[in-house]
Amino acid sequence: AQKITQTQPGMFVQEKEAVTLDCTYDTSDPSYGLFWYKQPSSGEMIFLIYQGSYDQQNATEGRYSLNFQKARKSANLVISASQLGDSAMYFCAMRESNYGQNFVFGPGTRLSVLP
Amino acid sequence: DTGVSQNPRHKITKRGQNVTFRCDPISEHNRLYWYRQTLGQGPEFLTYFQNEAQLEKSRLLSDRFSAERPKGSFSTLEIQRTEQGDSAMYLCASSSMTGGTGELFFGEGSRLTVL
Repeated sequence: AQKITQTQPGMFVQEKEAVTLDCTYDTSDPSYGLFWYKQPSSGEMIFLIYQGSYDQQNATEGRYSLNFQKARKSANLVISASQLGDSAMYFCAMRESNYGQNFVFGPGTRLSVLP
Repeated sequence: DTGVSQNPRHKITKRGQNVTFRCDPISEHNRLYWYRQTLGQGPEFLTYFQNEAQLEKSRLLSDRFSAERPKGSFSTLEIQRTEQGDSAMYLCASSSMTGGTGELFFGEGSRLTVL
């Protein structure tokens, strides 16, 4: 079964607008971490933001915020004030503490920012 | 530069040949991961090490793949008798579980093309 689901293969957003990239996950581990990575066309994977399963507050990092809804098992990434440089693939990933320490990645969402 | 280093960056080989990739992680990181990524997909977990111990290996990894981390520093990933289906980007990442979020720091990848 898919552990990480990203239902939006591609998204478009107008420059300076906000966009939400969806991520749902599946785990029975009470302790886990959720991560978002950006992969521009150059190929490097860039860490954006982290949310721990026990964190009470939604994570924020600059223009990135994570809308964490634990009961729904969703961890959506919100990018505010989109910039042309935000055009890239975005991957949601999960690390479970009790089922090995490997990171499981979703299939990704390709975001295109339009001028 | 103290990031994760991978080489070679590109490798073209004929089917049936053996190839080896090397990864030098961030020096203070005790965990090292190998992932495979095909075009338009998310990274797929292959294996990971904590120090020199290989703690987890994907069931998808055939016995043609072997990875080592002999002194708990650099790691090698060898693919024997390559097949065209092995063509992919091989990503190495490292992390530290002492403080911080334990996020993965990725190298730039080694792209394998099997003719």
